[in-house]
Amino acid sequence: EPEVTQTPSHQVTQMGQEVILRCVPISNHLYFYWYRQILGQKVEFLVSFYNNEISEKSEIFDDQFSVERPDGSNFTLKIRSTKLEDSAMYFCASRVVMNTEAFFGQGTRLTVV
Amino acid sequence: RKEVEQDPGPFNVPEGATVAFNCTYSNSASQSFFWYRQDCRKEPKLLMSVYSSGNEDGRFTAQLNRASQYISLLIRDSKLSDSATYLCVVTRDMRFGAGTRLTVKP
Repeated sequence: EPEVTQTPSHQVTQMGQEVILRCVPISNHLYFYWYRQILGQKVEFLVSFYNNEISEKSEIFDDQFSVERPDGSNFTLKIRSTKLEDSAMYFCASRVVMNTEAFFGQGTRLTVV
Repeated sequence: RKEVEQDPGPFNVPEGATVAFNCTYSNSASQSFFWYRQDCRKEPKLLMSVYSSGNEDGRFTAQLNRASQYISLLIRDSKLSDSATYLCVVTRDMRFGAGTRLTVKP
């Protein structure tokens, strides 16, 4: 069964460092998403991506964040200069078309120290 | 008004109980709705879609009320394994509600 895969599963980084979180969406999906979930809190929308561009972003998704689809398979989230409060689980999701269900990767746990 | 709002919970119910969650949404143009389930420290997983006519999947029933802009999830005969956080999703925006935590006790 096709699935969304995320790497790494856990990343520890020092404050101020850049991190890149990687996702491989399901191959025939066209819409891609990143979410953040701070421990014990809600799943927060960060950004949606379609047709090689950002279609929507939340207020959380500031200049420190960027997304890219560098090739036909990967979808990445970059945080340029990590802060302690960036520590969270980051989920990638994809769906085939608008208004269908989204499938989630298992997440990357980011710990900023 | 928040885009998607859910019953705050938590809900603590005994095995066998029936429990219902509601979720309201603000965007009247929303087209599709889903309920997801999230276990602790895991990714959200699709539980069921919500269709205009209402739909049922075993012990789970989902309803949509467009006039009042809310969806509901009913769980009958609760099992211990139903313990999780239940999230509603309004797919036009792909926004999640805050989630309702359910604990089913023996």
